Amino acid sequence: NAGVMQNPRHLVRRRGQEARLRCSPVKGHSHVYWYRQLPEEGLKFMVYLQKENIIDESGMPKERFSAEFPKEGPSILRIQQVVRGDSAAYFCASSPRRDDEQYFGPGTRLTVT
Amino acid sequence: QKEVEQNSGPLSVPEGAIASLNCTYSDRGSQSFFWYRQYSGKSPELIMFIYSNGDKEDGRFTAQLNKASQYVSLLIRDSQPSDSATYLCAVNPGTYKYIFGTGTRLKVLA
Repeated sequence: NAGVMQNPRHLVRRRGQEARLRCSPVKGHSHVYWYRQLPEEGLKFMVYLQKENIIDESGMPKERFSAEFPKEGPSILRIQQVVRGDSAAYFCASSPRRDDEQYFGPGTRLTVT
Repeated sequence: QKEVEQNSGPLSVPEGAIASLNCTYSDRGSQSFFWYRQYSGKSPELIMFIYSNGDKEDGRFTAQLNKASQYVSLLIRDSQPSDSATYLCAVNPGTYKYIFGTGTRLKVLA
């Protein structure tokens, strides 16, 4: 019973580079959520996706950030031209239905140097 | 602005005692409530969820919900040092968008 998988677990990027974060939901879950967590802060909602559709991206900055959840393959959160303020832990969660409990992956810790 | 408030702590309790963690929320339309445990450097782990007023027990954990007063609490009986972590309260205000509190840090002293 594989849970939510995320990779890479740690990612270091220089300012201006691109970061790609991957998330494979629990098998059978078609709802994926991305959250960002800064040290000593709570989790902030970024985007909610179902297969091939972005349902709500209101928590995601409009510039430089994008997300997708293709029919085949993992969900991807893409950050272009990273800046130091993007350094954070990014967590993916999945659920079997829209309002069900969400299960979190181990996270990707992004460090921008 | 929909908010979820938690005391940041740390809340220190001796081993074997009952730890009581509290959370208040602002949106009266909130429908489901979740408690997550997060160890330092790790991801949130779902402990309990509750949808109806009253108590819900699971092992050493009891979640309590009072919608009229807009609070939800988590009781941990027979606290163990391994329970030391940050506990996050999350509220679903009727959409998929969980709103998380900033968490309460619990320390169980051996």
